[in-house]
Amino acid sequence: RKEVEQDPGPFNVPEGATVAFNCTYSNSASQSFFWYRQDCRKEPKLLMSVYSSGNEDGRFTAQLNRASQYISLLIRDSKLSDSATYLCVVNLSGGSYIPTFGRGTSLIVHP
Amino acid sequence: DVKVTQSSRYLVKRTGEKVFLECVQDMDHENMFWYRQDPGLGLRLIYFSYDVKMKEKGDIPEGYSVSREKKERFSLILESASTNQTSMYLCATGTGDGNTIYFGEGSWLTVV
Repeated sequence: RKEVEQDPGPFNVPEGATVAFNCTYSNSASQSFFWYRQDCRKEPKLLMSVYSSGNEDGRFTAQLNRASQYISLLIRDSKLSDSATYLCVVNLSGGSYIPTFGRGTSLIVHP
Repeated sequence: DVKVTQSSRYLVKRTGEKVFLECVQDMDHENMFWYRQDPGLGLRLIYFSYDVKMKEKGDIPEGYSVSREKKERFSLILESASTNQTSMYLCATGTGDGNTIYFGEGSWLTVV
């Protein structure tokens, strides 16, 4: 079983739609969680951290459910520029933090 | 802003050549990582280092080695490049407390 799993998509949505991605992780000792965005042929860049209480940054909302071991990303009012791959990242603790990446979820926002 | 520099962005090498990929960071981060990214496989960890002269194998270390002689520099070495090492290589850095990691722009390596 892969440690961090994401639906690869693609999620194909119209502008203005609300879309949500989930990411499940297998290690219950995981300590920190992030969403990264990666554009085609570019490096991943931090989108937002994910806090236990949930957090929001503009149109983006991240949630953590420790009991069910998943994190989620909600994008409201999708823009064309939101088209990208969204990577879930989980930090496994144990002496040295090692970020483990999901394979990413592809989002395509169309006019 | 954190700066992670991968000096070689696009390389074409022949099978059997030795290849060096360099990564330099300017944020005094303890941890540095080398990943490769291939379509459908996502990011896979090759090696990481959490201190000078320290290195640990990641998920796919075979065919690679690393060097970290100075805190700011982490090099990935392909001793004898093979065609299955054609990939995008990403260097990343981070503090040792589980916070954000930052990536370089990537090195696109083609082995022919």
